[in-house]
Amino acid sequence: QQPVQSPQAVILREGEDAVINCSSSKALYSVHWYRQKHGEAPVFLMILLKGGEQKGHEKISASFNEKKQQSSLYLTASQLSYSGTYFCGTEGGYKLSFGAGTTVTVRA
Amino acid sequence: GAGVSQSPSNKVTEKGKDVELRCDPISGHTALYWYRQSLGQGLEFLIYFQGNSAPDKSGLPSDRFSAERTGGSVSTLTIQRTQQEDSAVYLCASSPNRGLTGGEQFFGPGTRLTVL
Repeated sequence: QQPVQSPQAVILREGEDAVINCSSSKALYSVHWYRQKHGEAPVFLMILLKGGEQKGHEKISASFNEKKQQSSLYLTASQLSYSGTYFCGTEGGYKLSFGAGTTVTVRA
Repeated sequence: GAGVSQSPSNKVTEKGKDVELRCDPISGHTALYWYRQSLGQGLEFLIYFQGNSAPDKSGLPSDRFSAERTGGSVSTLTIQRTQQEDSAVYLCASSPNRGLTGGEQFFGPGTRLTVL
């Protein structure tokens, strides 16, 4: 079952904040976040695990609410380099089911 | 070190022809995934390999699609009798981890397939 992301798109000015949500109808064990710039391959941002452990290495934070079956990605003080499409992936067996993506455009 | 590589980068073929797409994962990565991304869409899981075995083929859209992996390394995705709806970017990813938890996936640049 594909997770649902919202919003579909967001436009920011440098320095502004944004939140991207990812919801699933199934119980979540982990949530994976990737960013894809136009014409490029997706790049890993972070994994949030059930129990609260977060693994990642970017200055972008996220939360994982197991009860609500939801994860949120927080873009704080956005930079031009944050532009791209953000995908969340939820784990089911061996595979990730990705959402349709949220396109973020950061303008100077 | 070298990342995941895929070839060809672009492939244009006629409807009904067979195509082979190749993926070279990062050396030592035991897990390998194939995804499909249609224009403006998200990533659609196709198949997962652990070593040379494919525990999950559930994403393959039809029996025209097949994949293999040899030597725990190179993988080939084959599409037989291509249809126009097969047009998409086919992405390969590898991971050093068994399964997904804690496993960052490293994506290749993709193969853009166009079926005329």
